[in-house]
Amino acid sequence: QLQLQESGSGLVRPSQTLSLTCAVSGGSIRSGGYSWAWIRQPPGKGLEWIGHISQSGNTYYNPSLKGRVTISIERSRTQLSLNLTSVTAADTAVYYCARGSPNWFDPWGQGTLVTVSS
Amino acid sequence: QSVLTQPPSVSGAPGQRVTISCTGSSSDIGAGYDVQWYQQFPGTAPKVLIYGNNNRPSGVPDRFSGSKSGTSASLAITGLQAEDEADYYCQSHDRSLSVVFGGGTKLTVL
Repeated sequence: QLQLQESGSGLVRPSQTLSLTCAVSGGSIRSGGYSWAWIRQPPGKGLEWIGHISQSGNTYYNPSLKGRVTISIERSRTQLSLNLTSVTAADTAVYYCARGSPNWFDPWGQGTLVTVSS
Repeated sequence: QSVLTQPPSVSGAPGQRVTISCTGSSSDIGAGYDVQWYQQFPGTAPKVLIYGNNNRPSGVPDRFSGSKSGTSASLAITGLQAEDEADYYCQSHDRSLSVVFGGGTKLTVL
């Protein structure tokens, strides 16, 4: 059974870079024709798609993030990565990684809370 | 502000039928993109409930059903149970292939 687990810094200073990884187990991140996505949820609010990367390496990002986001797959370590630069308090959220199948997301990781604060 | 519009809350008594609407535009749902529905309990990750407008993954009770028409979609829950109390989100794509979500609907079982 495929499982995803997010990890990374839970506290990021304003203007710094948020970096998260998503470990994939019980399956391969390199096969199956799936995409791999990051989705976030600010406290008490709804879901926001950050972006995803296809099996071929093409990336698709939320235009609202204005070029601050980079999603990549560390193939040698079967991990998905997220970098979000120049963070502000508005980037405080629970960050989820998920597999795209390809139009829906399943499964999801349990999520990791990232707080942007000085 | 979310691209897809959902009612903030709906409620129903046990055994009743409730529906949750998801309204988009000609740039997303109306452009022919499939709609998905997710269920989220407090403190947990969302779980797909309906994919491809009206398909249920294995393990999802047939009390849950989805439909789509024009620029809108709906999730129907029949035989409402206390354990259905959760947040529900719709999801689709737009013409730029961006993923779009609804703002979410909190279902309260009275």
